[in-house]
Amino acid sequence: SQQGEEDPQALSIQEGENATMNCSYKTSINNLQWYRQNSGRGLVHLILIRSNEREKHSGRLRVTLDTSKKSSSLLITASRAADTASYFCATDAVSARQLTFGSGTQLTVLP
Amino acid sequence: EADIYQTPRYLVIGTGKKITLECSQTMGHDKMYWYQQDPGMELHLIHYSYGVNSTEKGDLSSESTVSRIRTEHFPLTLESARPSHTSQYLCASSEWGAGASSPLHFGNGTRLTVT
Repeated sequence: SQQGEEDPQALSIQEGENATMNCSYKTSINNLQWYRQNSGRGLVHLILIRSNEREKHSGRLRVTLDTSKKSSSLLITASRAADTASYFCATDAVSARQLTFGSGTQLTVLP
Repeated sequence: EADIYQTPRYLVIGTGKKITLECSQTMGHDKMYWYQQDPGMELHLIHYSYGVNSTEKGDLSSESTVSRIRTEHFPLTLESARPSHTSQYLCASSEWGAGASSPLHFGNGTRLTVT
């Protein structure tokens, strides 16, 4: 089973609303990363949070990490139609050699 | 956007053909990766490389092979394409490997259809 699993699988909101996506994982990690993928394109790195960090901000993005619950959340504030994309979390597990990606959350922002 | 390029963007090919998917990066990254992704699904690592003359198989078994003769170039080859190989193939690079907190830079992918 996947190291990282996103929830919900799909999310549809109105422009201007906030969007929250969650990621749960199973084993200890060095860091957790969030990526965005527009339809038919490659992934773009958004933000990285280390295991000793609890919260990180980048523009309209806010990421939290709770290592005791093995979960992370990505909040996009004041969403725009251009935020429509799939969002993936990726875990850099202590026991693994490479990043492991979850199955993603498909976000649709309606104008 | 990162400087990592994949060609072709789309490829439709018949069963049994040999194909090579190209991937090049101009960032001087030592680490390069190939992922396979079906539409709307997670990414699966099929090959990676830590540097020139280094290649390793990933978590997902694949009939493809890779080579790393130059730092900037990491092509993927399928000797005999089959319909089960139909998928999107994403190439990525990073400055360091996992465990060193380095993000991946992705190309735009090659969407392969085998008829």
